[in-house]
Amino acid sequence: QVQLVESGGGVVQPGRSLRLSCAASGFTFSNYGMHWVRQAPGKGLEWVAIISHDESNKYYADSVKGRFTISRDNSKRILYLQMNSLRAEDTAVYYCAKGAPVYIDHWGQGILVTVSS
Amino acid sequence: DIQMTQSPSSLSASVGDRVTITCRASQVIDNYLAWFQQKAGKAPKSLIFAASSLQNGVPSKFSGSGSETNFTLTISSLQPEDFATYFCLQYNTYPITFGQGTRLEIK
Repeated sequence: QVQLVESGGGVVQPGRSLRLSCAASGFTFSNYGMHWVRQAPGKGLEWVAIISHDESNKYYADSVKGRFTISRDNSKRILYLQMNSLRAEDTAVYYCAKGAPVYIDHWGQGILVTVSS
Repeated sequence: DIQMTQSPSSLSASVGDRVTITCRASQVIDNYLAWFQQKAGKAPKSLIFAASSLQNGVPSKFSGSGSETNFTLTISSLQPEDFATYFCLQYNTYPITFGQGTRLEIK
């Protein structure tokens, strides 16, 4: 079955960088678009970014555009989110999610990123 | 950006009840609307896509309807495991946007 496992979260100071990874299994990773979605503590879901199956298209939320970069390695079946110039408001649980091809049909368990000095 | 407005923001109901949650889009999104369930401390679960198509493995007590700008999620015969927060999402236009969520609580 589809499994998505995020890693790379933790506590980081404002202005610093962090890279999240998502290891995928149980489906043909290279055939599907992939998303990152986040949820600040006690808040709702916020879509962050999507990458097409072949990396040809990438779209971002306005709140992260220019600071975050989504990428993927289809040979390793891994999705990435490079987060630069982090702010306190980026504190959230970050979910990796599988597109089908755009709407989300499967979610990872999430990884917490805390931006704090 | 397309704004997704869910109502109500919270809802109290009893086991066995039927409830309806509404999601309204600020622009026409055709049927590019999905619904998700999230329980406390857990990842969301996909329920419905294309406004009314049930995700594999989701029980038929969940149903969706609507098009253009007005959509509904109906849950029939509520069971204890259905009490959770429900979110809609539009995927017609980037950026993709979620509704703010509807918290379904036991009365």
